[in-house]
Amino acid sequence: AQSVTQLDSHVSVSEGTPVLLRCNYSSSYSPSLFWYVQHPNKGLQLLLKYTSAATLVKGINGFEAEFKKSETSFHLTKPSAHMSDAAEYFCVVGSTGFQKLVFGTGTRLLVSP
Amino acid sequence: GAVVSQHPSWVICKSGTSVKIECRSLDFQATTMFWYRQFPKQSLMLMATSNEGSKATYEQGVEKDKFLINHASLTLSTLTVTSAHPEDSSFYICSATSLAKNIQYFGAGTRLSVL
Repeated sequence: AQSVTQLDSHVSVSEGTPVLLRCNYSSSYSPSLFWYVQHPNKGLQLLLKYTSAATLVKGINGFEAEFKKSETSFHLTKPSAHMSDAAEYFCVVGSTGFQKLVFGTGTRLLVSP
Repeated sequence: GAVVSQHPSWVICKSGTSVKIECRSLDFQATTMFWYRQFPKQSLMLMATSNEGSKATYEQGVEKDKFLINHASLTLSTLTVTSAHPEDSSFYICSATSLAKNIQYFGAGTRLSVL
């Protein structure tokens, strides 16, 4: 069975400071991993995905994530937070690319001026 | 990216009535659509997987007679919550994909409130 654990339910940062959202996964085989963002009352938007190519994945809006097999982690980072980054972020593991996604419990990112 | 439209965005209904939610892929043919449920401050839980032209596959614990799913065309799937009760109040989200897409594209969700 596959699962993901998002280690922080809330993360607060100041605008302009780095962002780190942590995610650990469990999978019996090579997983596909995703980060999605959900703004209030809006659908989920794909930030980036890992599908066994380069371990450092660059996404939209300056976000990136590094797949570390030895640590079973897929943490999301951004060098400098913007106010518009405030949202709910979900780490997701998928089987065979896009089927049967399993979502983490989400991390709410709060950005203060 | 691809566009998935979900309608309505918000619906309030009386207990005992049925509610239909539509999910449309606007710019691609979705061979597979998914329906999720999200309780407040919780994660998304997969309810069912729907392939065009065939019966939906429901996850364990999801009542197929309660949540009717139809995927009659490559661009439209519907979820009907039958005889809705207050405990069915939730945020329902659909997603769509195809063999060529390799990722799921999500709708904006429908907030259902049953009085």
